[in-house]
Amino acid sequence: DAGVTQSPTHLIKTRGQQVTLRCSPKSGHDTVSWYQQALGQGPQFIFQYYEEEERQRGNFPDRFSGHQFPNYSSELNVNALLLGDSALYLCASSLAAAPNYGYTFGSGTRLTVV
Amino acid sequence: AQKITQTQPGMFVQEKEAVTLDCTYDTSDPSYGLFWYKQPSSGEMIFLIYQGSYDQQNATEGRYSLNFQKARKSANLVISASQLGDSAMYFCAMREGGFQKLVFGTGTRLLVSP
Repeated sequence: DAGVTQSPTHLIKTRGQQVTLRCSPKSGHDTVSWYQQALGQGPQFIFQYYEEEERQRGNFPDRFSGHQFPNYSSELNVNALLLGDSALYLCASSLAAAPNYGYTFGSGTRLTVV
Repeated sequence: AQKITQTQPGMFVQEKEAVTLDCTYDTSDPSYGLFWYKQPSSGEMIFLIYQGSYDQQNATEGRYSLNFQKARKSANLVISASQLGDSAMYFCAMREGGFQKLVFGTGTRLLVSP
């Protein structure tokens, strides 16, 4: 049973560019959340998708946007990259009907902005 | 205000000994959930244990137990019989009310020595 799969694992981008990160949730999960983890910090919630809609959003600018597809997979897009966007981006999947369990995280995408 | 506070940046323990990682939280919502995650150097967040605010008994999962003191708003993780593979970052997180987003602390780095 595959867990959460994220791609790519590493990425280097230049300031001002745009990036797309991808996430496939754990089998049976219908909700996908994205987190940003800066070096030495805990993960910060970016947003959550359920039924192809953004259900909840953290304190992140509109440069951060996302999408969920009918197969529950998700993309995180970041426009106009800043040096401060360099971080580990984690995707977590869960089941909406069981929010206390099954927050399964992927291994993340490490984004470096130069 | 910090919702989750982890005051121990680093902890050292010898193999086979027990260790307690501290976590205090702040919420006015009567319904919440507390989670502990382990993050090895690979980056993946590994779920360890969950405690609901209405649970009467402390949660246990194998060598992990959660010392839940509701009045003190603390949810300390106890790892018994530490193993070398326990060396990692440990994060305490909280989910409030009906929302699925997790709020994380800054983490504690645990080093287990032979």
